[in-house]
Amino acid sequence: DAGVTQSPTHLIKTRGQQVTLRCSPKSGHDTVSWYQQALGQGPQFIFQYYEEEERQRGNFPDRFSGHQFPNYSSELNVNALLLGDSALYLCASSFWTVNTGELFFGEGSRLTVL
Amino acid sequence: DAKTTQPPSMDCAEGRAANLPCNHSTISGNEYVYWYRQIHSQGPQYIIHGLKNNETNEMASLIITEDRKSSTLILPHATLRDTAVYYCPLQDMRFGAGTRLTVKP
Repeated sequence: DAGVTQSPTHLIKTRGQQVTLRCSPKSGHDTVSWYQQALGQGPQFIFQYYEEEERQRGNFPDRFSGHQFPNYSSELNVNALLLGDSALYLCASSFWTVNTGELFFGEGSRLTVL
Repeated sequence: DAKTTQPPSMDCAEGRAANLPCNHSTISGNEYVYWYRQIHSQGPQYIIHGLKNNETNEMASLIITEDRKSSTLILPHATLRDTAVYYCPLQDMRFGAGTRLTVKP
């Protein structure tokens, strides 16, 4: 049973560029949440997707956008990259109908903005 | 923003119990408390969760106070592999800064 998979694992971009990160949820899960984790800090909630719609959003600017596909996989897009966007981006999956269920996290995509 | 607060760091001797506190004074009546840990920038790993009653699984025990304003995660016999950052988000899954637990030989 494959867990949550994320790609790429590492990438380097320059300021002003755009990046797309990808996530495949754990088999059977239908909900994907994205988090940003800066060095030495806890994961910060970006947004959550279910049924291809953004259901919740944290305190992140519109430069951060996402998408969920019919197969439940998801993408996180960040436009106009800033140095401060350098972080580990984590994807987590869960069941929408089990609101007391735990999150399953991937290993993350480490983004460095130069 | 996270609705929980935790001490930034704790040490524990190998083989002893590690007791990690978490304050959640504004918790709602039907809101669960969750515990996760993160080892060296891997993805966080679920440990346990609870609502009112104490809970135990193969990894840890969770003690929730009667007023539900705080909880304690107990690792009964800490090993070096338990060295990690521990988080206690509520059901909204907003993570705070966590507690860095260091288990020492």
